[in-house]
Amino acid sequence: DGGITQSPKYLFRKEGQNVTLSCEQNLNHDAMYWYRQDPGQGLRLIYYSQIVNDFQKGDIAEGYSVSREKKESFPLTVTSAQKNPTAFYLCASRQGASLNYNSPLHFGNGTRLTVT
Amino acid sequence: AQSVAQPEDQVNVAEGNPLTVKCTYSVSGNPYLFWYVQYPNRGLQFLLKYITGDNLVKGSYGFEAEFNKSQTSFHLKKPSALVSDSALYFCAVRLNTGNQFYFGTGTSLTVIP
Repeated sequence: DGGITQSPKYLFRKEGQNVTLSCEQNLNHDAMYWYRQDPGQGLRLIYYSQIVNDFQKGDIAEGYSVSREKKESFPLTVTSAQKNPTAFYLCASRQGASLNYNSPLHFGNGTRLTVT
Repeated sequence: AQSVAQPEDQVNVAEGNPLTVKCTYSVSGNPYLFWYVQYPNRGLQFLLKYITGDNLVKGSYGFEAEFNKSQTSFHLKKPSALVSDSALYFCAVRLNTGNQFYFGTGTSLTVIP
């Protein structure tokens, strides 16, 4: 079955450590996105990528970094510079390039990160 | 600035009754509108979208949504609620320029048996 795989499902880290969240898709989608979800705040965009080796900052990119070396993979690194990293992180992908405006986002099942 | 508002944090409805989850938007161009559902500790699942054409859009699991341009609204509806419809619902908008999706803060729907 095609889909988006996020791993791990739960992740625990100590404050001051960097941590990388994995996102892999086999949908052959061009665009990939990272969102952060906090209770009562909806989804906020961290980074997105339209094509391999290219990505753009979203609304809350500070303290995060990404790479897009392969079409199917879009890992997110939460750095020690992120002030409040504990959250639920969602990866999504979308078919088509910029002109395909009506294609919806497809989401993975998320990674819940807890930093203590 | 582009925005999406879901004015109700929580909606409760009795099983078998019709349900409505409200969404309004504020955008500067022509919007593409989407509804998603999220079950606990899961990702979002796509329900339906409005692009152009008929103002009443039909989607998955018996859901539909009504686009109202004059009221800038895109309310989600279902004629008869099921207990299994209890979940978190998100409205989202994408402009016909740019690549970002803007999400509302979500509405928690509880269907009471």
